[in-house]
Amino acid sequence: DIQMTQSPSSVSASVGDRVTITCRASQGISSWLVWYQQKPGKAPTLLIYAASSLQSGVPSRFSGSGSGTDFTLTITSLQPEDCATYFCQQSNSFPLTFGPGTKVDIK
Amino acid sequence: EVQVLESGGGLVQPGGSLRLSCAASGFTFNSYAMGWVRQAPGKGLEWVSTISGSGDDTFYADSVKGRFTISRDTSKNTLSVQMNSLRGEDTAIYYCAKGSRRAGRDFDYWGQGTLVTVSS
Repeated sequence: DIQMTQSPSSVSASVGDRVTITCRASQGISSWLVWYQQKPGKAPTLLIYAASSLQSGVPSRFSGSGSGTDFTLTITSLQPEDCATYFCQQSNSFPLTFGPGTKVDIK
Repeated sequence: EVQVLESGGGLVQPGGSLRLSCAASGFTFNSYAMGWVRQAPGKGLEWVSTISGSGDDTFYADSVKGRFTISRDTSKNTLSVQMNSLRGEDTAIYYCAKGSRRAGRDFDYWGQGTLVTVSS
């Protein structure tokens, strides 16, 4: 199975700050990587697919990059509504696996 | 508008069974894979199972293999999962999710979730 790790586990930043979250796969997954956002008490929503493609309706301050084993989610200018937990997921092969999540909040 | 809506959660004793259902609308149901993802209280996301658009192919996490059975009814646009031999560690919110067009191994629409509690 492909193991996914994320860092940091939590980050506290100010409004307008740039926030970067890293996701690493235990083996190469090409660009088969997606990012989800989950707000408290809500279902996850898809942010980024194919490592760097923005899902329709997602603000352009979100971006993704990487391929192989190392990936990054960046929020270029943090907004209050971005407070959430962010999960990466490998979509390369079954069993599908998620990272443990990164909680983002406002300082 | 794409919608997926789960039902069937509740309290069940260890060793018991429960069937979750998911009503889908707003898309051509048999053209997309569908899946179940769960989240234990205060924990991360865990993929449970996926079924192909045709229903011919099914995939399971090792943690539920042999105990859970995923199925779909195209005539009713409904996804289901039959959960048997339930354990305490199966306690979680269960989300129904629509597979994306990209091989169906990621999920572009999620339901609001249904809580399953396994406890005596």
